[in-house]
Amino acid sequence: DAGVTQSPTHLIKTRGQHVTLRCSPISGHKSVSWYQQVLGQGPQFIFQYYEKEERGRGNFPDRFSARQFPNYSSELNVNALLLGDSALYLCASSEMPTGYQPQHFGDGTRLSIL
Amino acid sequence: AQSVTQLGSHVSVSEGALVLLRCNYSSSVPPYLFWYVQYPNQGLQLLLKYTTGATLVKGINGFEAEFKKSETSFHLTKPSAHMSDAAEYFCAVSGVNTGNQFYFGTGTSLTVIP
Repeated sequence: DAGVTQSPTHLIKTRGQHVTLRCSPISGHKSVSWYQQVLGQGPQFIFQYYEKEERGRGNFPDRFSARQFPNYSSELNVNALLLGDSALYLCASSEMPTGYQPQHFGDGTRLSIL
Repeated sequence: AQSVTQLGSHVSVSEGALVLLRCNYSSSVPPYLFWYVQYPNQGLQLLLKYTTGATLVKGINGFEAEFKKSETSFHLTKPSAHMSDAAEYFCAVSGVNTGNQFYFGTGTSLTVIP
């Protein structure tokens, strides 16, 4: 079975631009979460979606937004990119948004802002 | 607020030696606890989890961890390190106190010396 897939794998943008990152969860998983991992740090929670509804939001500015589609795939959008947005963006899925079910991660999108 | 502390950002062990990676959490309610491993340019892979029941949990690749409520700890161990264990390790917590979101520690980089 395919794991969590993310696209693109790498992306280079300039300040002020907009970016869209995509994620397909494991088949049967209805919950998708997004994380930002800055070099040398642990993943920081951005959003969680379940059944197309936002179930949680981390401490990120409104420039960050996301949505989940009927097939449970998800997009993360970031507007007005800043240099500090350079990071590895990870998507994770689980069957349901319960705390005891582990998150299954994709390999991430490496975003570089010039 | 929920937090996770990983003592020691870098740990070096000789091949065949005991691996001990430390994780402490802050919560008035015991959370769900997880250990993940991250290899370069990859996402996070689940090593093991504690939700309920037996406090000593066994995971993949010979790793195990013990939940100690009195010490608010969930340290990761492996009796004999292998070169392939060199990676970044993250402790994470989830549960009622986090709104079932996952919060990660800052990670411990494990080096295995031949």
